Amino acid sequence: EAGVTQFPSHSVIEKGQTVTLRCDPISGHDNLYWYRRVMGKEIKFLLHFVKESKQDESGMPNNRFLAERTGGTYSTLKVQPAELEDSGVYFCASSPTADTQYFGPGTRLTVL
Amino acid sequence: AQSVTQPDIHITVSEGASLELRCNYSYGATPYLFWYVQSPGQGLQLLLKYFSGDTLVQGIKGFEAEFKRSQSSFNLRKPSVHWSDAAEYFCAARDSSYKLIFGSGTRLLVRP
Repeated sequence: EAGVTQFPSHSVIEKGQTVTLRCDPISGHDNLYWYRRVMGKEIKFLLHFVKESKQDESGMPNNRFLAERTGGTYSTLKVQPAELEDSGVYFCASSPTADTQYFGPGTRLTVL
Repeated sequence: AQSVTQPDIHITVSEGASLELRCNYSYGATPYLFWYVQSPGQGLQLLLKYFSGDTLVQGIKGFEAEFKRSQSSFNLRKPSVHWSDAAEYFCAARDSSYKLIFGSGTRLLVRP
């Protein structure tokens, strides 16, 4: 069984540009989560999808971040426009139920 | 507020020595508890979890953790560390919501 995959693994962009991160969950997992870790800080929850619906987006930092999960399969997280403080590692996770969350390898975003 | 604390930022042990990584949580009720590990260049891998029942939980790679309600702790242990255990370890908790709250992580260095 394939695990959670994320693309790209690294992204380096200029401040003010747009970046889109993609997450493919484990097949059949209705729950999909985004987390991020900024430098030196703890991993923090961003949002939670159940199928294509946003269940909880209380962790989204501001309206420059937009997450979508069309069709309830893969998800994208767009940052527009990117700011310096958005640099960090963005993790995606999925789970079939409220049980264990399985994490992807993360996308390292650097905003210059 | 709900929180997870890992008091040790770095720990160095000699190969073959025993290991204990500390984790404390602050929740209104007993949360679900997890330990994840992130090896260099890898994603977060689940080591073990505690939901209820036996307070001593066995995980993968020879790790175990003990839930102590009186101390609000969920410390991770391994009797004999291998060089391949060098990684960053994260304690996490969640309540009835799906949102995981992470500690700040403990980076383990293994001396040959």
